[in-house]
Amino acid sequence: QVKLVESGGGVVQPGRSLRLSCAASGFAFNSFGMYWVRQAPGKGLKWVAVIWHDGSTKYYADSVRGRFTISRDNSKNTLYLDMNSLRVEDTGVYYCARDNGLIAMIQDWGQGTLVTVSS
Amino acid sequence: SSELTQDPAVSVTLGQTVRITCQGDSLKNYYPSWYQQKPGQAPVLVMYSKNNRPSGIPDRFSGSTSGNTASLIITGAQAEDEADYYCNSRDSTLNLVVFGGGTKLTVL
Repeated sequence: QVKLVESGGGVVQPGRSLRLSCAASGFAFNSFGMYWVRQAPGKGLKWVAVIWHDGSTKYYADSVRGRFTISRDNSKNTLYLDMNSLRVEDTGVYYCARDNGLIAMIQDWGQGTLVTVSS
Repeated sequence: SSELTQDPAVSVTLGQTVRITCQGDSLKNYYPSWYQQKPGQAPVLVMYSKNNRPSGIPDRFSGSTSGNTASLIITGAQAEDEADYYCNSRDSTLNLVVFGGGTKLTVL
């Protein structure tokens, strides 16, 4: 079955960097768009970034554009999110997710990894 | 960037029908998806495209779209349907994906 396992979360000071990873299994990783979606404590879901199946195209939310970079290694079935210049408002659970072949139709989600930005 | 607007909270009596709505300009051009999220859990896709349910989602869940408004309809709500529900869709701006603020469904 489809499995998405995030790692790399933790506590980090404002202005610092963090790299999240997502190990995928149970499906043809190189055939699907992949997403990062975050959820601040007690708040709703917010889309962060998406990357095309072949890594050729990436889109970012306004709030992270220029600071975060999404990437993937299809040979390792792994998705990444490099987060720089972190802010307190970046705190939340970060979910790795894949679509069903159509943009924004998110079929499967990981369990999430918590990122806390605090001094 | 575009936004999707949802009512923050909706309640339904056990066994009755409830409609959860989502409004936004992006829905004029793109179909929505709907997600159910229970406390402490990851979201689960319950409806996508025009009116498609993923495998394993009960047929009491259905969807409809008209103009800039999409609806998730639960016919005969069950206690286990109590959860937060989010809509999302593609958008035509650089903010390619947009989510609604979520609706907390209470089953009385």
